[in-house]
Amino acid sequence: AQSVTQLDSQVPVLEEAPVELRCNYSSSVSVYLFWYVQYPNQGLQLLLKYLSGSTLVKGINGFEAEFNKSQTSFHLRKPSVHISDTAEYFCAVMDIYNFNKFYFGSGTKLNVKP
Amino acid sequence: NAGVTQTPKFQVLKTGQSMTLQCAQDMNHNSMYWYRQDPGMGLRLIYYSASEGTTDKGEVPNGYNVSRLNKREFSLRLESAAPSQTSVYFCASSEALPGQGVSNYGYTFGSGTRLTVV
Repeated sequence: AQSVTQLDSQVPVLEEAPVELRCNYSSSVSVYLFWYVQYPNQGLQLLLKYLSGSTLVKGINGFEAEFNKSQTSFHLRKPSVHISDTAEYFCAVMDIYNFNKFYFGSGTKLNVKP
Repeated sequence: NAGVTQTPKFQVLKTGQSMTLQCAQDMNHNSMYWYRQDPGMGLRLIYYSASEGTTDKGEVPNGYNVSRLNKREFSLRLESAAPSQTSVYFCASSEALPGQGVSNYGYTFGSGTRLTVV
């Protein structure tokens, strides 16, 4: 089974500052990687995904993530955050040989302050 | 709007009561899933259905049963609710099947059911 580690449970940041949310996974096999966002009292919404090709993936709302196979990481970045980015962010991994199981990290709460 | 619909949105149960959480998707997806979300633990898979007519256990299946009624609907049943089952439950669907193209992998989530067992 996979494990997904989100190193920071909470990240406070000032509006318009850059942010990086970290995600590492344990795997010796090929994986697909995802970031989801959850706004308060809502379901999860897909931000971006890495399936193959370029290791830099761009998603919605100005977010991007870089897949680093040697470091088994998939960190999420945004160069300038807004108040509206305040939410919880989940990293998820799918084993390409087992399409029906996602493994989620424990989540990182991003709190953007004015 | 197309997507995954869960009912009810909120529920309070007494210990020992039973209930069924309903989930329906209108995207013609093959696979459906039930997750629970608890603070600091992310989402944990309870059961999933890779296709109509099949169901399999996930990471935390104890105390739950599921039914894949048809391609659209996947229900989760608590036969005898316990306080440890207080959680937020999410249903999700995916069109992923082995051997298919990868461009659309990922889940579509419902908005969740907040369940409290007292």
